Amino acid sequence: SQQGEEDPQALSIQEGENATMNCSYKTSINNLQWYRQNSGRGLVHLILIRSNEREKHSGRLRVTLDTSKKSSSLLITASRAADTASYFCATDAQGGSNYKLTFGKGTLLTVNP
Amino acid sequence: SAVISQKPSRDICQRGTSLTIQCQVDSQVTMMFWYRQQPGQSLTLIATANQGSEATYESGFVIDKFPISRPNLTFSTLTVSNMSPEDSSIYLCSVLWGPTGADTQYFGPGTRLTVL
Repeated sequence: SQQGEEDPQALSIQEGENATMNCSYKTSINNLQWYRQNSGRGLVHLILIRSNEREKHSGRLRVTLDTSKKSSSLLITASRAADTASYFCATDAQGGSNYKLTFGKGTLLTVNP
Repeated sequence: SAVISQKPSRDICQRGTSLTIQCQVDSQVTMMFWYRQQPGQSLTLIATANQGSEATYESGFVIDKFPISRPNLTFSTLTVSNMSPEDSSIYLCSVLWGPTGADTQYFGPGTRLTVL
């Protein structure tokens, strides 16, 4: 089964609104990473949060991690039409190789102008 | 971050044929990987491309179907052999790279393969 599961599967918002996507996972992790993919192209790395961190910011992105609930959230503030993409979380299992990423199914975000 | 390129960016192939995808990185990296993304799905790791030795394949993927080469620390190829329509996917290479420790995977732009 998938280590990471995002929800919602699809999200449609208006430009300027905030978008929140959630990710849940099953086993203990070393790191959790968020990626963006535009129209089936390559993945763009957004942010990495380590298991001992609770929150991280990068520009308009805010990621939280709750290891007790095995969940993470990605918040995009003041969204733009260019943020329209699929967003994936990926985890690497604690105790395993730190390179073996397991991806969630992704959230398709549509930002309407 | 490391700059990664892939060739070809897309291709349409006939069943039964093979396609070799190239991945080039602008820096020397120890770890390189190949992923598959089937239509509407997430990414699945195919194998780790090891420099100077045989690739390490994940469960469900075999060398005869997906032979991989890694002749040096900046280049790798993935061949999709004896293709069928079920092989239609985006194939992505990635590298492990980072100034504070190699813990972030960066991905290439992907190769979109359609098998008829």
